[in-house]
Amino acid sequence: QKEVEQNSGPLSVPEGAIASLNCTYSDRGSQSFFWYRQYSGKSPELIMFIYSNGDKEDGRFTAQLNKASQYVSLLIRDSQPSDSATYLCAVHQGGKLIFGQGTELSVKP
Amino acid sequence: GAVVSQHPSRVICKSGTSVKIECRSLDFQATTMFWYRQFPKQSLMLMATSNEGSKATYEQGVEKDKFLINHASLTLSTLTVTSAHPEDSSFYICSARGGRDSPLHFGNGTRLTVT
Repeated sequence: QKEVEQNSGPLSVPEGAIASLNCTYSDRGSQSFFWYRQYSGKSPELIMFIYSNGDKEDGRFTAQLNKASQYVSLLIRDSQPSDSATYLCAVHQGGKLIFGQGTELSVKP
Repeated sequence: GAVVSQHPSRVICKSGTSVKIECRSLDFQATTMFWYRQFPKQSLMLMATSNEGSKATYEQGVEKDKFLINHASLTLSTLTVTSAHPEDSSFYICSARGGRDSPLHFGNGTRLTVT
């Protein structure tokens, strides 16, 4: 079992729709969770981080964490073509940040 | 927000030569920096953890004699790819954080091509 798992996609949604990205992790002791966006050929940029169970909202983005289910998700409301990118889930484990394989999101105009 | 500067952004070198990549934290002190490598269509793989004033900690399967890491100050870490080969061609990205549970901030990456 991989330490951090994501559906590689591609996930395709129409412009204006909600995009839902999911991530599961194996280490029950993990406390910090991050979502990064990576455009092709570029380095990742931080979108959100979440430490506590529940929802955390920032603009069009909502991160959701359920530690009991070892599950973290990212919702993107009113998706825009500029949101098309690979979204990386990362989990802080043992002093290191472990990344999932990323989900490719495509927002169609 | 936190800024991490990485240089060069792109380098092409011949097989057998060495390449040095610099990573600087511009507006915060980073006792720990991380070096990742990313092959096309794959996720980021942690290569090593760079600790200021001490030896780097390498991940399993990463050759410490090939990928030399030096973290001489709280704002600078360097990665030297020694005797580079075509299979070392990849996207190398450094990252740093201000505190243990703080988010990682990434440099812009270095695209290495070994011919």
